[in-house]
Amino acid sequence: AAGVIQSPRHLIKEKRETATLKCYPIPRHDTVYWYQQGPGQDPQFLISFYEKMQSDKGSIPDRFSAQQFSDYHSELNMSSLELGDSALYFCASSPTPGLADEQFFGPGTRLTVL
Amino acid sequence: AQTVTQSQPEMSVQEAETVTLSCTYDTSESDYYLFWYKQPPSRQMILVIRQEAYKQQNATENRFSVNFQKAAKSFSLKISDSQLGDAAMYFCAHCTSGTYKYIFGTGTRLKVLA
Repeated sequence: AAGVIQSPRHLIKEKRETATLKCYPIPRHDTVYWYQQGPGQDPQFLISFYEKMQSDKGSIPDRFSAQQFSDYHSELNMSSLELGDSALYFCASSPTPGLADEQFFGPGTRLTVL
Repeated sequence: AQTVTQSQPEMSVQEAETVTLSCTYDTSESDYYLFWYKQPPSRQMILVIRQEAYKQQNATENRFSVNFQKAAKSFSLKISDSQLGDAAMYFCAHCTSGTYKYIFGTGTRLKVLA
């Protein structure tokens, strides 16, 4: 079965640089979620999209922005990177927005900021 | 605001034995969903089991079952016949119906002893 695809899987950036993380949801899933998991931490909700519109927002820094495109893939743009942005970034998708159906998680993108 | 608490940072269980992981949550909503996710060393988030708050019957998935006490806002996970492959970080998560985000607990690391 198809799963959520995230790219790249690993990313190394310098402080103050910009990073773009991509997420391709499972086919026919129209809702995408982004989470940040710091070292030894639980995943923290950043933002979600349903039908290309932002549906909910969590603790996402102003330096971060995200969008969902017409093909339902999503991109998380991170600017002015800080050391504290080093984390595992998960994307998840679901077929039934707002009904708290299972979120299918991707493998994550590990971002390291030096 | 919803909160999820996992008071056991680490648990150990002998292979083939039973272990229970605790989770409590706080919410003012009446319609919500609860989940247990497993995160093995690969860091992939894998759904173990889910419970709809409106259902009184406890969810069961093979060796995994929950004890859902709505009035006490408790949602514990029981793993029977523990296997070495069960060793992982386990996260409890809450999602209010109509929203698009999970709130995770801080996790419980489960060790399975041979």
